[in-house]
Amino acid sequence: AQSVTQLDSHVSVSEGTPVLLRCNYSSSYSPSLFWYVQHPNKGLQLLLKYTSAATLVKGINGFEAEFKKSETSFHLTKPSAHMSDAAEYFCVVRYMDTGRRALTFGSGTRLQVQP
Amino acid sequence: DAGVIQSPRHEVTEMGQEVTLRCKPISGHNSLFWYRQTMMRGLELLIYFNNNVPIDDSGMPEDRFSAKMPNASFSTLKIQPSEPRDSAVYFCASSLNRQGEQYFGPGTRLTVT
Repeated sequence: AQSVTQLDSHVSVSEGTPVLLRCNYSSSYSPSLFWYVQHPNKGLQLLLKYTSAATLVKGINGFEAEFKKSETSFHLTKPSAHMSDAAEYFCVVRYMDTGRRALTFGSGTRLQVQP
Repeated sequence: DAGVIQSPRHEVTEMGQEVTLRCKPISGHNSLFWYRQTMMRGLELLIYFNNNVPIDDSGMPEDRFSAKMPNASFSTLKIQPSEPRDSAVYFCASSLNRQGEQYFGPGTRLTVT
């Protein structure tokens, strides 16, 4: 079955240090990949997306992610965490070779940023 | 644009009652999605529409759930009768087309007692 795995349910970093949120997906010949962020009591907001163009994707708020086909990974990074980055992050895949063509969400990673 | 609008933002009801959640997609968007979010199961797609037609409802948990999209600017998700295990946050999202970026509404937090 097609799936997406977020390897860490919780990540805690200090303000100003790098952020790494990990995501792996099951192999497909044409996935589209997304990262969404959800702040407390808010809806989901798109951070960035990969759709078979450049493998390094830059998003909003200084986040970026690199698509690595050989590792079936799409990890999210940011050089320096800010307190406002504390939220839940979802790695999302759209598998174009399935009939559903809808989004499959990872289980989420809660990012804590310590002062 | 106001974005995707959902109402109510919060709903508390008793078991057995009918619940109707409403969604207004972004104007011009042709695809609409209903999701449910719980601690146990995370985010699940319930159903999505394209050009007001239901395309995939395989995520709808059971017959107590139904969704309609009578026109391009309005959709409802109805639960009848509601049960405590239906308690969750229900999100509506819309996109220009099936492959486009999805814009999410703020969600409706449903509590069934």
